[in-house]
Amino acid sequence: QSALTQPPSASGSPGQSVTISCTGTSSDIGASNFISWYQQHPGKVPKLIISEVNKRPSGVPDRFSGSKSGNTASLTVSGLQTEDEADYYCSSNVANSYIFGSGTWVTVL
Amino acid sequence: QVHLQQWGTGLLEPSETLSLTCGVHDASLNIFYWGWIRQSPGKGLEWIGDISPSADTNYNPSLKSRVTISRDTSQRQHSLRLTSVTAADSAVYYCVCSSGWYKIDHWGQGTLVSVSS
Repeated sequence: QSALTQPPSASGSPGQSVTISCTGTSSDIGASNFISWYQQHPGKVPKLIISEVNKRPSGVPDRFSGSKSGNTASLTVSGLQTEDEADYYCSSNVANSYIFGSGTWVTVL
Repeated sequence: QVHLQQWGTGLLEPSETLSLTCGVHDASLNIFYWGWIRQSPGKGLEWIGDISPSADTNYNPSLKSRVTISRDTSQRQHSLRLTSVTAADSAVYYCVCSSGWYKIDHWGQGTLVSVSS
């Protein structure tokens, strides 16, 4: 299993949007609708923000949205806020195994 | 709301066995998937494995030969054993729960495990 590929960093000004890509293969991202995204602030426990490609758990702002096309999943954070500065990890589950992305640090300028 | 509390040895020497336990509150082990994820310092997340409601286990192929995940439903606990540890196994280990649809929606507080001679 190889980690899914994410850009190391992304940034945007408050109020702007940022999109993070998560690229895999036809055996993981391409084969699964069980794509999740996790937010992790420094020194904190990761938090689920998107599941099943585009579903937001209760309490997650609708500024967070997910999508998938082919072997690439994406997370978009609209209306960036300072508290959105964090690491973001994608994950895919295929055949009862999870693969995580390499992580993207989002900076709010 | 599922609450997970984990504990175990934080300092190991190479070749020793890592052992961590996760106590489950407000949920039954016979429902949901219970597992472990680790994060090396400054690195990303790595799935270790999980145990299903029917006690079937799934492991990361890269760790499968050294990992055992088990559960004690009467104690509401599940456990991780990782044998023959090396410095590469140094990480924060999280016990986790998936309540369905392959999403990790509950996390323990994390345990820092260091392997050093």
